[in-house]
Amino acid sequence: GAVVSQHPSRVICKSGTSVKIECRSLDFQATTMFWYRQFPKQSLMLMATSNEGSKATYEQGVEKDKFLINHASLTLSTLTVTSAHPEDSSFYICSARNRDFYGYTFGSGTRLTVV
Amino acid sequence: SQQGEEDPQALSIQEGENATMNCSYKTSINNLQWYRQNSGRGLVHLILIRSNEREKHSGRLRVTLDTSKKSSSLLITASRAADTASYFCATDATGSGYALNFGKGTSLLVTP
Repeated sequence: GAVVSQHPSRVICKSGTSVKIECRSLDFQATTMFWYRQFPKQSLMLMATSNEGSKATYEQGVEKDKFLINHASLTLSTLTVTSAHPEDSSFYICSARNRDFYGYTFGSGTRLTVV
Repeated sequence: SQQGEEDPQALSIQEGENATMNCSYKTSINNLQWYRQNSGRGLVHLILIRSNEREKHSGRLRVTLDTSKKSSSLLITASRAADTASYFCATDATGSGYALNFGKGTSLLVTP
C-alpha cells in the first residue's frame, strides 16, 4: 500500500533556530500534500495544502513566512519551521494524496520540542 | 477549518463491551472517515463511508452516516485493551480542495 515516510520522528531545537521536516511518498506520486499540527490532547489542525510545483495555500492564522512549505517534486514535501519558539512545540503530521486513487496516506509524525 | 465534533470526549469501558463514538459536522461532505491514533503516534485509517452510504462494516467496526443530521457514529464491538487510543472523524468537505477536517476526537480507554 501507499506509504509516506516522515522524518525526523523527534527533534529538539533551541529557540531561534530552524527545523526542517521531510515527508516522502515511497511508492506513489503525491500530487497534493497536507500539513497538520496537533497540540497535546487536541485534534489535528490543517496548516497548509501544497500541490506539486505550486505555492502552498495556508490556513487562516498560519504564518507562511514562519512555516515554509516546499513541494518541489511529486515524492517530497518539506516543512521548515523558521526561528522556532517554544510555542511552536507540537506534533506535526503530513498527509499525501494521489490524484489517481482516492485516499490519504499519513506520515508517522514529528514531535518538535523547542527549548 | 475544523468542523467535526466528537462525543464523548473520553470514554472508559471494560474489555468485551462495545464502544460507541459520535461525530457531527457542519457542511456538506463527499465522505467521512474514521481514524485511530495511539498516543504520540501517527494516524491509522479505519474506515471510510461515502455521503451516499448509510452504514458500513469492517471487522469489529460499524460506521453509520446520517447526512440529514450531519452526524456519524463509530461502533467498536467486543472491545479489547489494544483498542485503547484516540479516535477521530474526518470529513472531506465539498469544495475544500480535498483537505481533511478533523473532529476533536474521542479518547477511548479499554481496561482488562
